[in-house]
Amino acid sequence: NAGVTQTPKFRILKIGQSMTLQCTQDMNHNYMYWYRQDPGMGLKLIYYSVGAGITDKGEVPNGYNVSRSTTEDFPLRLELAAPSQTSVYFCASSYSSSGANVLTFGAGSRLTVL
Amino acid sequence: GENVEQHPSTLSVQEGDSAVIKCTYSDSASNYFPWYKQELGKRPQLIIDIRSNVGEKKDQRIAVTLNKTAKHFSLHITETQPEDSAVYFCAAKGNTGGFKTIFGAGTRLFVKA
Repeated sequence: NAGVTQTPKFRILKIGQSMTLQCTQDMNHNYMYWYRQDPGMGLKLIYYSVGAGITDKGEVPNGYNVSRSTTEDFPLRLELAAPSQTSVYFCASSYSSSGANVLTFGAGSRLTVL
Repeated sequence: GENVEQHPSTLSVQEGDSAVIKCTYSDSASNYFPWYKQELGKRPQLIIDIRSNVGEKKDQRIAVTLNKTAKHFSLHITETQPEDSAVYFCAAKGNTGGFKTIFGAGTRLFVKA
């Protein structure tokens, strides 16, 4: 199993450009998440999904959009990129339940907006 | 929504000493409290977790304690080694509203040889 795969690993964007960060998992996890990690900071939840066709906002959703058409894929769309979106983005997945919820993270995507 | 606070932000210890990292959470409905370790340039990985019906859990040199009444939980690392140097994140998962996992701001641990 590959686990959680993110692409691209690195990207530089100009202000106002748009792009999509791809995330796919092969563990048949129902829950998927996008977090951002600013330099020296913690992980902030952007969006999450409890299953195909269902998404919801996290702590910092502004400037982003997501979709979940399949169990495996959870792309994150940045519209009109701004310097404040310079960050490392981590996708994660889990079998969620009312109890334990162990997140498996992807390797991260480092985005710079200039 | 849930808010998780973590202290200290930086912790420096001598090899062989113990390290303690503390977290508080705001949502009394949270029922699962994991700890993740992130080495430089790597992804976070789970090192230990505790459920709300348990007060303490230990795994070799690491242990976690939970005080539900005070909404506090802590990570204890004994006999620290240089390879323990990393950023540690606490987190809390709610039992309602989509079971979101919210992270603390992280603690950068330095273990000096």
